[in-house]
Amino acid sequence: AQSVTQLGSHVSVSEGALVLLRCNYSSSVPPYLFWYVQYPNQGLQLLLKYTTGATLVKGINGFEAEFKKSETSFHLTKPSAHMSDAAEYFCAVSAMYSGGGADGLTFGKGTHLIIQP
Amino acid sequence: SAVISQKPSRDICQRGTSLTIQCQVDSQVTMMFWYRQQPGQSLTLIATANQGSEATYESGFVIDKFPISRPNLTFSTLTVSNMSPEDSSIYLCSATLGKNTEAFFGQGTRLTVV
Repeated sequence: AQSVTQLGSHVSVSEGALVLLRCNYSSSVPPYLFWYVQYPNQGLQLLLKYTTGATLVKGINGFEAEFKKSETSFHLTKPSAHMSDAAEYFCAVSAMYSGGGADGLTFGKGTHLIIQP
Repeated sequence: SAVISQKPSRDICQRGTSLTIQCQVDSQVTMMFWYRQQPGQSLTLIATANQGSEATYESGFVIDKFPISRPNLTFSTLTVSNMSPEDSSIYLCSATLGKNTEAFFGQGTRLTVV
């Protein structure tokens, strides 16, 4: 079984400030980890993912995240927030089974990112 | 990548009726999934749509309420049966191209039951 906890349903930062969105996961098997962004009235877009290999992963729009197994965390960061970053962000986990292929995603509750001018 | 089209994009339905949502992918995909996103909430996996066989449902979701078809590698349908206002949600179709790949999402179907 898997679960995802996103700390803070709403995060507000000033334009140009650091963005930090927290995600902790629980998984009984090695996880795949994802961050998705959802703009109002739009579908989900993948920001970045961790499967294997390098634990610091870079995504689109200047976002990056680091997989820390010891902390069971996958926090999302961006050095300098832009007004266009205002959206809902979802952390998600899936598991790679021994037979290959990922299963469906388990999502966190989401974090609404607000950018103050 | 894969582009996923869902129809309808939104609908308002009477309680007790059923609605079938279609999901078309522009390329052959390995896995297809259906999610529900209730108002102001996160996404919850309803089921995995298996090609040529019965869907695999998550806990809390049953085939009689959410029958799913997947006749080929690019198409799936989700039916929301005997609807009640509690079924008002956004329903999203998702697909993956294979192992170690990202999941792509459709724009969703916004369902309101009155």
